[in-house]
Amino acid sequence: DTGVSQNPRHKITKRGQNVTFRCDPISEHNRLYWYRQTLGQGPEFLTYFQNEAQLEKSRLLSDRFSAERPKGSFSTLEIQRTEQGDSAMYLCASRGALLHEAFFGQGTRLTVV
Amino acid sequence: ILNVEQSPQSLHVQEGDSTNFTCSFPSSNFYALHWYRWETAKSPEALFVMTLNGDEKKKGRISATLNTKEGYSYLYIKGSQPEDSATYLCAFTGGAGSYQLTFGKGTKLSVIP
Repeated sequence: DTGVSQNPRHKITKRGQNVTFRCDPISEHNRLYWYRQTLGQGPEFLTYFQNEAQLEKSRLLSDRFSAERPKGSFSTLEIQRTEQGDSAMYLCASRGALLHEAFFGQGTRLTVV
Repeated sequence: ILNVEQSPQSLHVQEGDSTNFTCSFPSSNFYALHWYRWETAKSPEALFVMTLNGDEKKKGRISATLNTKEGYSYLYIKGSQPEDSATYLCAFTGGAGSYQLTFGKGTKLSVIP
């Protein structure tokens, strides 16, 4: 296992289209997080899974956003009816149950035109 | 709302100079303080996780200190090298719920050869 993997690395989409990103965490990690980073800001928390259960969602996560982790392994983040304000770097992180440290993927950079 | 503040926002130093950055965070409900290094087109890389007041950690030329009572941490880089050029992110974890990371905006370091 080489770490947290995210696909695609880059996505350009037209406003109004739907997009889906995938995150494959470190295999033994049961905790998975999604973050979003916009220009000039630090990463901001979006949502958290423990195994397959989505236990916490930020207010940043509007109803156009949905995340799943169906088998407690990989996760997907879908954005419906994309808006230009959704343009950002979307980061995924995973953490083991007894670990303080969270490991990040390289992110998916979304550009909405 | 949790505020994590980092200073300076950006920094240019000459190769060989030593430098330090500051992170301030809420002193209540503290669980852990994280430092990450984020190079362009790469994953944020965990440098340190500190949990106890007075913790000091070191990795090569980089070290960090933690004061949970007053809510600050310092990151030091001794003898900066061009490969140290990156954005350094500080993140706070509170002691409840998802243990999500709350990030500062980062300090962008440029080391001039």
